[in-house]
Amino acid sequence: ELKVEQNPLFLSMQEGKNYTIYCNYSTTSDRLYWYRQDPGKSLESLFVLLSNGAVKQEGRLMASLDTKARLSTLHITAAVHDLSATYFCAGPYSSASKIIFGSGTRLSIRP
Amino acid sequence: DGGITQSPKYLFRKEGQNVTLSCEQNLNHDAMYWYRQDPGQGLRLIYYSQIVNDFQKGDIAEGYSVSREKKESFPLTVTSAQKNPTAFYLCASSVQGSGHEQFFGPGTRLTVL
Repeated sequence: ELKVEQNPLFLSMQEGKNYTIYCNYSTTSDRLYWYRQDPGKSLESLFVLLSNGAVKQEGRLMASLDTKARLSTLHITAAVHDLSATYFCAGPYSSASKIIFGSGTRLSIRP
Repeated sequence: DGGITQSPKYLFRKEGQNVTLSCEQNLNHDAMYWYRQDPGQGLRLIYYSQIVNDFQKGDIAEGYSVSREKKESFPLTVTSAQKNPTAFYLCASSVQGSGHEQFFGPGTRLTVL
């Protein structure tokens, strides 16, 4: 069964700094998803990574996938307060339609 | 606009009552899901359905029931057997098949009084 582990679980950082959130998964997977959740809100799809070496960028966020290392990263460049949220990664379960979510990384960006 | 709707946005329940949460999608997706999220926690899968008239238990199905009579609808009933139902409930949908991207509704916040 697929397990998805994110780290760190909590991250407090200053505006203008760079940081990376890591997502490790336990079994072979050719795709990985990143979601954003604002406090009290639902999940919003950020990135869909569909192959080894895939890289996607949206503003100050960049996600990548290394299927051989079973690792995805979400890199934040020059953080701004608006990026404060909880970020989840998720990968497909082995045989069913469902996907498995990591525990989430709660990101707080202070001025 | 295609999307997923959930109603109500907020729901209050007295102990011992059953309540039903609505989830409707017009994305023409075959698969639908219900998740529970407790404060500061991740998502836990309650039930999912890959096709009409079929559904499977997730990780925390006890005290919940679902039906899937129509492709676009997947209501969740929180029964009195669910001892601690206060939580944020999220419905999602996807195309059928192994692990496709899921799209989420806005959620229902259930509080037991």
